[in-house]
Amino acid sequence: KQEVTQIPAALSVPEGENLVLNCSFTDSAIYNLQWFRQDPGKGLTSLLLIQSSQREQTSGRLNASLDKSSGRSTLYIAASQPGDSATYLCAVQGSYIPTFGRGTSLIVHP
Amino acid sequence: DAGVIQSPRHEVTEMGQEVTLRCKPISGHNSLFWYRQTMMRGLELLIYFNNNVPIDDSGMPEDRFSAKMPNASFSTLKIQPSEPRDSAVYFCASSPTRNEQFFGPGTRLTVL
Repeated sequence: KQEVTQIPAALSVPEGENLVLNCSFTDSAIYNLQWFRQDPGKGLTSLLLIQSSQREQTSGRLNASLDKSSGRSTLYIAASQPGDSATYLCAVQGSYIPTFGRGTSLIVHP
Repeated sequence: DAGVIQSPRHEVTEMGQEVTLRCKPISGHNSLFWYRQTMMRGLELLIYFNNNVPIDDSGMPEDRFSAKMPNASFSTLKIQPSEPRDSAVYFCASSPTRNEQFFGPGTRLTVL
């Protein structure tokens, strides 16, 4: 059974810092990995999708990488802003079923 | 497209009552997922449909929960009878098969 772990569980940083959020998974037989953002009391917003054949994806200040062989993905946030404060979740999709991590709760303070 | 639509957004009911949650997926998406999110357990997959057919319902907690997808544009999740421990946020998500998922805004259920 796929297990997804996100470290750290919580992170508090000053504005302007570059951040790395980690996601690890136990079964490397995946179709894709997706990063989401969830604001308090809201739904999940898709940030980036990496297909299993890809190594990374970029969107604005966000860059996600995937290393299937080691079962790891990282989400890099450049020049963090208070508006980036949210919970970030990764989801790994196997045959059909996605498995989610518990998320990293990020606070960026001015 | 308006995205995934869920209704109601909030539901407060008393223990023992029937609850029906509704979802309209994004047009053209053939996969639909129902999730439940709580502080204790995080985000849990309840059931997955592909082309309107339930593929995996191993996450449905017990027989009180049932889900249907009568057509490509509508799905329901029903709880009968409801219990206080069912209180959670229920999300519906849709995607093309094995592709990017898009989530609805969720239904916050409170069972008193």
